[in-house]
Amino acid sequence: QKEVEQDPGPLSVPEGAIVSLNCTYSNSAFQYFMWYRQYSRKGPELLMYTYSSGNKEDGRFTAQVDKSSKYISLFIRDSQPSDSATYLCAMTSYGKLTFGQGTILTVHP
Amino acid sequence: GAGVSQTPSNKVTEKGKYVELRCDPISGHTALYWYRQSLGQGPEFLIYFQGTGAADDSGLPNDRFFAVRPEGSVSTLKIQRTERGDSAVYLCASSPTGTGGEQYFGPGTRLTVT
Repeated sequence: QKEVEQDPGPLSVPEGAIVSLNCTYSNSAFQYFMWYRQYSRKGPELLMYTYSSGNKEDGRFTAQVDKSSKYISLFIRDSQPSDSATYLCAMTSYGKLTFGQGTILTVHP
Repeated sequence: GAGVSQTPSNKVTEKGKYVELRCDPISGHTALYWYRQSLGQGPEFLIYFQGTGAADDSGLPNDRFFAVRPEGSVSTLKIQRTERGDSAVYLCASSPTGTGGEQYFGPGTRLTVT
């Protein structure tokens, strides 16, 4: 079993929809939790970075961490076609990041 | 400011050849990381530098892979006797601290071994 599990999708939604992306993990030592967005043939772009359990909001994006359940989520409100990309969850205890497989999201007009 | 840069952007080499991949981190970032990403997968950790020294090289797949960061800034990933299975995108990231959070990635080098 992988340390980080992420539903690969693909996920297809209409413009304006609320998108929910999720990851589960097994390593209790993970302390930092991140979401990256990756466009085709580009490097991952850091979207959200959280340390503690709870919610963190940045514009249309909300990151949620539940350490007791070992579950993290990313919510995208009012999704736009430009949000179409692969979304990667990542987490670390110290140093190296452990990534999920990535979820491919398509937002169609 | 300038982000992480990687050169070359693409590299095609023949099986058995030696290759070097270069990473220029964000200025002032002390930590530097190398990852490898295969198609349809998340990046996988290879090695992490804090300053000039390798703090964790547990992700290097075998002794054909080696990385250096002699002056604590630019890093080079070196692959000897390349194999077709080494074909992947090699990503570099840098961070202002060594705690692991806030890693900023470069565009990657796409390596193809024929």
